[in-house]
Amino acid sequence: NAGVTQTPKFRVLKTGQSMTLLCAQDMNHEYMYWYRQDPGMGLRLIHYSVGEGTTAKGEVPDGYNVSRLKKQNFLLGLESAAPSQTSVYFCASIPGRRGIQETQYFGPGTRLLVL
Amino acid sequence: DQQVKQNSPSLSVQEGRISILNCDYTNSMFDYFLWYKKYPAEGPTFLISISSIKDKNEDGRFTVFLNKSAKHLSLHIVPSQPGDSAVYFCAASANDYKLSFGAGTTVTVRA
Repeated sequence: NAGVTQTPKFRVLKTGQSMTLLCAQDMNHEYMYWYRQDPGMGLRLIHYSVGEGTTAKGEVPDGYNVSRLKKQNFLLGLESAAPSQTSVYFCASIPGRRGIQETQYFGPGTRLLVL
Repeated sequence: DQQVKQNSPSLSVQEGRISILNCDYTNSMFDYFLWYKKYPAEGPTFLISISSIKDKNEDGRFTVFLNKSAKHLSLHIVPSQPGDSAVYFCAASANDYKLSFGAGTTVTVRA
């Protein structure tokens, strides 16, 4: 049981390049989340998904797109990277049982540097 | 506008003493509060939580206190150990399966 995994661990992009970050979970969780962490800002929610085929915007969605074609995978895309997107990106998931407050399980993070 | 605030970016404490981390929130709809611990180059890991129907929750060396009228919660670590050196994030939820995080407090436990 690997939990939540993220690919890649580290990436350097040039401004204007595109890339996709992959999050995978093997816990059969319904809900998945993408956050970014910046110094002095804590973790901010980018997009999230409440089930396969669904996505929703979080607090800071601009410049990002997401897809949840399979329940176990949640992809985060940057179509045209900007230096402001330099950050550490974390994926998280929860079972999503109705009416139950659950803690989020986090992946190890992807460090992205946009030059 | 940050709804969850941790006003102390850092805390240094001697091994064996108590660490007290503070967190304030502004959204009165928050009803579930959590503390996460994060080591460098790793993802946050869940530490302890508290529901708004309680004012205290204890788990070993970790105790979280909630003061709803003041919109304030705190995390006590007693006794502090070197392995507790990490960044601690306070988070809150309004029963919508989303979390709002504070900026974090870096704890350093001195030998």
